Amino acid sequence: AQKITQTQPGMFVQEKEAVTLDCTYDTSDQSYGLFWYKQPSSGEMIFLIYQGSYDEQNATEGRYSLNFQKARKSANLVISASQLGDSAMYFCAMREGQDYKLSFGAGTTVTVRA
Amino acid sequence: SAVISQKPSRDICQRGTSLTIQCQVDSQVTMMFWYRQQPGQSLTLIATANQGSEATYESGFVIDKFPISRPNLTFSTLTVSNMSPEDSSIYLCSVWGGGVGETQYFGPGTRLLVL
Repeated sequence: AQKITQTQPGMFVQEKEAVTLDCTYDTSDQSYGLFWYKQPSSGEMIFLIYQGSYDEQNATEGRYSLNFQKARKSANLVISASQLGDSAMYFCAMREGQDYKLSFGAGTTVTVRA
Repeated sequence: SAVISQKPSRDICQRGTSLTIQCQVDSQVTMMFWYRQQPGQSLTLIATANQGSEATYESGFVIDKFPISRPNLTFSTLTVSNMSPEDSSIYLCSVWGGGVGETQYFGPGTRLLVL
């Protein structure tokens, strides 16, 4: 079974608007971490934001926020005030317990329109 | 955060040849990871490189095809051997670094095209 599911292959958003990228996860571990990465066309993987399973507040990092709904096992990324430079592929990933491996979702391509 | 560099950044190779990719980290780390990203796909872990021991390979990846070296705590190499067009991918190395939640940081990647 897929550990990380991203159901949106591609999304379009107007500049200055907000966009929400969906991510659901599957784990039986009580302790886990959720990550979002941005991959522009250059290919590098840029860390955006992290949410721990025991964190009571949703993580925020500048224009990025993570809508963490533990009971629903979802960790959606919200990008506010979209910019043209936000056009990229976005990956959701999970680390379970003390495992050193990351499981990645299929990714969502975001295209910001002027 | 960890700063990671990779060489080469990109290459075009002929089938049947081999390419060695280098990964350098600015701090000492126990484990380094090598990922492959085929065109339009997500990241797949190839192996974990541990200093002083053999690399640990994931299912579907073998040492003969992807030999890895880890001579010290800041450096690793991944060789893609006897290449075929199916090996055309982005290869990324990564490490767990400091920071909130101990984030995994990635190098800039090596974009490989095999003709």
